[in-house]
Amino acid sequence: AQTVTQSQPEMSVQEAETVTLSCTYDTSESNYYLFWYKQPPSRQMILVIRQEAYKQQNATENRFSVNFQKAAKSFSLKISDSQLGDTAMYFCAFNAGGTSYGKLTFGQGTILTVHP
Amino acid sequence: DSGVTQTPKHLITATGQRVTLRCSPRSGDLSVYWYQQSLDQGLQFLIQYYNGEERAKGNILERFSAQQFPDLHSELNLSSLELGDSALYFCASSVDQGRGYTFGSGTRLTVV
Repeated sequence: AQTVTQSQPEMSVQEAETVTLSCTYDTSESNYYLFWYKQPPSRQMILVIRQEAYKQQNATENRFSVNFQKAAKSFSLKISDSQLGDTAMYFCAFNAGGTSYGKLTFGQGTILTVHP
Repeated sequence: DSGVTQTPKHLITATGQRVTLRCSPRSGDLSVYWYQQSLDQGLQFLIQYYNGEERAKGNILERFSAQQFPDLHSELNLSSLELGDSALYFCASSVDQGRGYTFGSGTRLTVV
C-alpha cells in the first residue's frame, strides 16, 4: 500500500518570504503522479501543482514549484513571495497509476500561516 | 465554480437517520470519487465510480453505499448515522489519473 507522509503539522512564514513544505511517500511503483492541494479556510480543495514521476524536470506554476527527488521519494513544495492568501492547509497526494484507477492517497496535511 | 456540484452544502440530522449526498461531476469526467474529511483530519478515500461502475473501494463502512447513474451523477447514502459520521464529505471527478481531481465544495454533515 502507498503511504504519504507530511512531517510538518504547522508552518509559518512572513509575507513575501519563501517557505518549503515537505512530503515523502512510499511506493514500489515506477510510474505515478504526485500532487499538492491547497485547502483554505473555505475548505474548498484546490489543485496547486502536479508532477509526473517519469518527468525529471520539476513542475512550476507561477510562485509554486516542487523539488521532486524520485530516488529519495521526496516531493516538497516551495512557495515563493508568500502572500496572505496562501494561508491554508496543504495536502500532498499520490496516485500510483496503473490499476489504482486514479485513487489519490493524501498526507495528513500541513497548516501554513502567512503573517503580514 | 470548479464544475463539480455537491448538494446539499450543509446537513444536520439525528443519530440513526439516513441521508443522501449528491454529486454532479465536471462535464466530460467519467470518474467520481467520494472522500470523507473529519475535523482536523486528512482525506479518507471512500469509493470510486467510473462510468457507472464501482472501480475501487476504500475504508467505507457497510452503513454507507454509493452509486453512479447513467447521467454520471453520483449519490452517497449514509444510514444508521452515528455522531462519529459528522464530517465534510467531498466528491471529486477526473478525466484521467495524471491530471488530478477537481473537487466539489463538499457537504458538511452534522449528526446530533
